[in-house]
Amino acid sequence: EDKVVQSPLSLVVHEGDTVTLNCSYEVTNFRSLLWYKQEKKAPTFLFMLTSSGIEKKSGRLSSILDKKELSSILNITATQTGDSAIYLCAVEIVETSGSRLTFGEGTQLTVNP
Amino acid sequence: KAGVTQTPRYLIKTRGQQVTLSCSPISGHRSVSWYQQTPGQGLQFLFEYFSETQRNKGNFPGRFSGRQFSNSRSEMNVSTLELGDSALYLCASSSLSRTLNTEAFFGQGTRLTVV
Repeated sequence: EDKVVQSPLSLVVHEGDTVTLNCSYEVTNFRSLLWYKQEKKAPTFLFMLTSSGIEKKSGRLSSILDKKELSSILNITATQTGDSAIYLCAVEIVETSGSRLTFGEGTQLTVNP
Repeated sequence: KAGVTQTPRYLIKTRGQQVTLSCSPISGHRSVSWYQQTPGQGLQFLFEYFSETQRNKGNFPGRFSGRQFSNSRSEMNVSTLELGDSALYLCASSSLSRTLNTEAFFGQGTRLTVV
């Protein structure tokens, strides 16, 4: 059974801290790994990673995929209260007729002022 | 460019009823996927449609069905509603092709409450 596991499940930090969120996976036909930020309803896209070792960066957020270790990390530096959200990791799995995303449970990040 | 639009945003139904949810993907996107999100189970894949064909289906009972129209808009139907069907239903669209990785964009979701 395909599985995506995120850790920690919840995290409380102070503004200015740096956080690292983890995602590991065991899936049959890996195509890509995606990170999303969910604040209220719609998960908003952050990164898509397909190649191992390449860092994707956007402002204070960055992410790397390690296909050998079957894992990815999402780093957020100099956290702000606006970073408070659920961070979802999803793996795109290719099947014979299509593809689907399998999500982890998410990491609930709370950034306190 | 307009995002993914889901209607209605909120819905309250009673057990045994049926419900239809709608999703309009981003213009030009041909793949539409549906997900159910509950506090205990997280986001779970329901099905994916591409060019009016269901390409993939998750592990949900037959009460959950869907379809896609020629303009790529998709509907999801749940019949004989159960209390456990209460959830946030999210739709995602992408311009997915077999050879090109593209990210999926989500709509705001429909919050379904079954009483």
